[in-house]
Amino acid sequence: DIQLTQSPSSLSASVGDRVTITCRASQSMNNYINWYQQKPGKAPKLLIYVASSLQSGVPSRFSGSGSGTDFTLTISSLQPDDSATYYCQQSFSGPWTFGQGTRVEIK
Amino acid sequence: QVQLVQSGAEVKKPGSSVKVACKTSGGDFSRHAISWVRQAPGQGLEWMGRIIPYLGKGNAVQRFQGRVSITADDSTTTAYMELSSLRFDDTAVYYCTLGNWFDPWGQGTLVTVSS
Repeated sequence: DIQLTQSPSSLSASVGDRVTITCRASQSMNNYINWYQQKPGKAPKLLIYVASSLQSGVPSRFSGSGSGTDFTLTISSLQPDDSATYYCQQSFSGPWTFGQGTRVEIK
Repeated sequence: QVQLVQSGAEVKKPGSSVKVACKTSGGDFSRHAISWVRQAPGQGLEWMGRIIPYLGKGNAVQRFQGRVSITADDSTTTAYMELSSLRFDDTAVYYCTLGNWFDPWGQGTLVTVSS
């Protein structure tokens, strides 16, 4: 199974800050990495698919990049509504797996 | 716009089974993979398995094999996840979701295993 390791596990940043979350895979994944945002008590929401494609309706301050085994989710200017937990997920090789999550808090 | 609506919360005893339904609307039910993902309290997301309805047979992560059955009913465009031999640590919110990059999601079904 492909293991995904996210870093950091949590972070605290101010409104307007640039925030970067990293997802490292245990093997190369041909860019089949996806990113989700989850708020407490809610279902996850797809933000980015296949490493860098922005899901329809998602604000453009969210972006994804990376290749091979190292991928990044970037929030260019953190907003209060971005307080949430973020997960990466691979759809390259079954079974699909998730990273352990990164909690983002607003200072 | 595809929508997924799940069945309501369940409370079950250890050793029993639970069957969660996921009713889809607004899309081509038979062609999309429907996955089940669970989230234990305060924990992360765990993919359990999936089914592509027109192929018929669901598949599950090895650690659930023998305990989980994923099925689909074309006539009602509803997918099901049945988990048997329930244990206390099966207490979780169970989600259904569509595709290989998961969108949309059902609202979640809380399954509580309690004696």
